[in-house]
Amino acid sequence: DVKVTQSSRYLVKRTGEKVFLECVQDMDHENMFWYRQDPGLGLRLIYFSYDVKMKEKGDIPEGYSVSREKKERFSLILESASTNQTSMYLCASSSPPGTATEKLLFGSGTQLSVL
Amino acid sequence: GESVGLHLPTLSVQEGDNSIINCAYSNSASDYFIWYKQESGKGPQFIIDIRSNMDKRQGQRVTVLLNKTVKHLSLQIAATQPGDSAVYFCAGAGAGSYQLTFGKGTKLSVIP
Repeated sequence: DVKVTQSSRYLVKRTGEKVFLECVQDMDHENMFWYRQDPGLGLRLIYFSYDVKMKEKGDIPEGYSVSREKKERFSLILESASTNQTSMYLCASSSPPGTATEKLLFGSGTQLSVL
Repeated sequence: GESVGLHLPTLSVQEGDNSIINCAYSNSASDYFIWYKQESGKGPQFIIDIRSNMDKRQGQRVTVLLNKTVKHLSLQIAATQPGDSAVYFCAGAGAGSYQLTFGKGTKLSVIP
């Protein structure tokens, strides 16, 4: 079964900590994305990557960075976690637009709490 | 830019009835649309997608209708079951775009 796997389901961190959220996909997808989901705000794009070592800012990149050293892995980094980064984080992957497998597939999410 | 929204935040349906969830979009250049189902505590799950060169597409118990004239799409679920209870999102993208713009979601509750 093809899938997008996020390393942690729940995570609790302290303010100021450096936080790594890991995501791996086994579908050989070119594109990978990080979203956060908050009640009343829906899904908001943080960063995405359309190739290894490439990254693009989404709508809310402030306070985050990403790393894509290998095609299958896309990491989201919170350099210094803050309480307003408490959220559900969703990783997703897809093939390029117009291809047969362009639909975005999501992982199960990581609920991050920053205390 | 793309703006995608849903008409109703909540929808209650009797088990066995058909459900219709609506979505409007603002960008007439939108080329691709997709519906997701999200159960509590889980990531969004792909349901069905449609390109702008189609006006209807059917899956298993689901149908998506696209009306480009009024920039509206809908998700129809036939014979709604308790397992269909979830939040449903529509999303859209422009031609060649990597980015989907998501609506806020409609919570579907199925009454046994």
